[in-house]
Amino acid sequence: DAGVIQSPRHEVTEMGQEVTLRCKPISGHDYLFWYRQTMMRGLELLIYFNNNVPIDDSGMPEDRFSAKMPNASFSTLKIQPSEPRDSAVYFCASSTGAGGYTFGSGTRLTVV
Amino acid sequence: AQTVTQSQPEMSVQEAETVTLSCTYDTSESDYYLFWYKQPPSRQMILVIRQEAYKQQNATENRFSVNFQKAAKSFSLKISDSQLGDAAMYFCASPHSIQGAQKLVFGQGTRLTINP
Repeated sequence: DAGVIQSPRHEVTEMGQEVTLRCKPISGHDYLFWYRQTMMRGLELLIYFNNNVPIDDSGMPEDRFSAKMPNASFSTLKIQPSEPRDSAVYFCASSTGAGGYTFGSGTRLTVV
Repeated sequence: AQTVTQSQPEMSVQEAETVTLSCTYDTSESDYYLFWYKQPPSRQMILVIRQEAYKQQNATENRFSVNFQKAAKSFSLKISDSQLGDAAMYFCASPHSIQGAQKLVFGQGTRLTINP
C-alpha cells in the first residue's frame, strides 16, 4: 500500500494565481480530510468527504477555497485567487471512519 | 466546541531518559479512540499510538505508552529510553463526530527535544 499520496510536495505561486492541490487516498478508505497547518493556528480541518460527498466544509476559510472528490481515488483542493496568507502546509488524510487517519506527506504552499 | 489542550509547548529530555507529554481533551462521545501523532522535521504526520476509550488497559507500543484517565479526560504519552530520533512535534488528537464520521481535533502540539 502506497499510503496517501499528495502532489505537489512544494508549490510556489504568485498572488492572484490559481493553485490546485491533489490527493489520492488509500484504497478502501471511505473518508477523506483536508487539513491546513500553520504556526499560528495549528492543524485546522478545512473539509471532509464521506463516500465522495462533502460532509462538513465549515472550516473552509472563504469562497476562494473549493474542494472536489470526483471519485473514490482522487480529490483536489483549489485556491483561486491565492493570497500570501494562504501560505501553509496542506495535508490530506484518509480513514475508514474510526481508528485514526493516515496522512499524506503534505504540500507546502508559498504564495508570494 | 471540542477542545484538545497540550499545556507544554516545549519539552526536553536527556537521551535514554523518560519523558511524559500531557494532554487533556473534551468530547461528548461515549465510545472513541484517542491518538498521539508525531511530526518530525520531514513534516510527515505519523501515528504513534492510539487508545480505545472503552478499554481500561493503557495502550503500549514498544517504548511508547499512554496513561489514560477517562474520568479526568486526560491522555498523556510516556516515551521511555528516549532516542535522538524521537525529536519531533507531538500532537494529541480526540474525535468529534459529525454525521457519523469521527473527525479529529488536534492539540497545539508539544515540541520535544532530545539532548545527547
